[in-house]
Amino acid sequence: DSGVTQTPKHLITATGQRVTLRCSPRSGDLSVYWYQQSLDQGLQFLIQYYNGEERAKGNILERFSAQQFPDLHSELNLSSLELGDSALYFCASSASGGKGDEQFFGPGTRLTVL
Amino acid sequence: AQSVSQHNHHVILSEAASLELGCNYSYGGTVNLFWYVQYPGQHLQLLLKYFSGDPLVKGIKGFEAEFIKSKFSFNLRKPSVQWSDTAEYFCAVNAEGSYIPTFGRGTSLIVHP
Repeated sequence: DSGVTQTPKHLITATGQRVTLRCSPRSGDLSVYWYQQSLDQGLQFLIQYYNGEERAKGNILERFSAQQFPDLHSELNLSSLELGDSALYFCASSASGGKGDEQFFGPGTRLTVL
Repeated sequence: AQSVSQHNHHVILSEAASLELGCNYSYGGTVNLFWYVQYPGQHLQLLLKYFSGDPLVKGIKGFEAEFIKSKFSFNLRKPSVQWSDTAEYFCAVNAEGSYIPTFGRGTSLIVHP
């Protein structure tokens, strides 16, 4: 158990819909990262937050957005869902969000878009 | 932008065989290097990391990796694998000045008892 929790574990929805994935970092960690893992793209970095502020942005679509709340939990919002958005979405946290920080990963949310 | 290549997508070994998984990256500057492992049904976890100093890094569970700067490589090794090493292995690179980690596509390792 990494100490990072993600809900829900599984999500099945239809194209065009909007979903919210939730992540709680390890106790004391200030930074949260979101990743998308798909069979054809591997593990892709989406976005990083540090203490409520966006710190780095990767290959995140405009239909996707995220935020980190004052209690440090984070949510990833995916809208206008397409079949290709089906993937595993991981959240990770690290102590300070530094460039060489070890990241602790959650168990992931498996999103299936039908 | 940096990229990470893991050339072996699937590796199948018998117990006690030696393991070497390749990882090459494309970035000419200073890098931080990581290997993560994902056991079946579990979350990704850190095996080992290299920031500076001795290019031979020891990790958990008998794994080690060697950073060869001239070859832009950070290959993962284990002299004798066990059935419990069956997992997906990911190499990751943080280029100097970047918060954004780049992961390789992963290598699926299956160890037969």
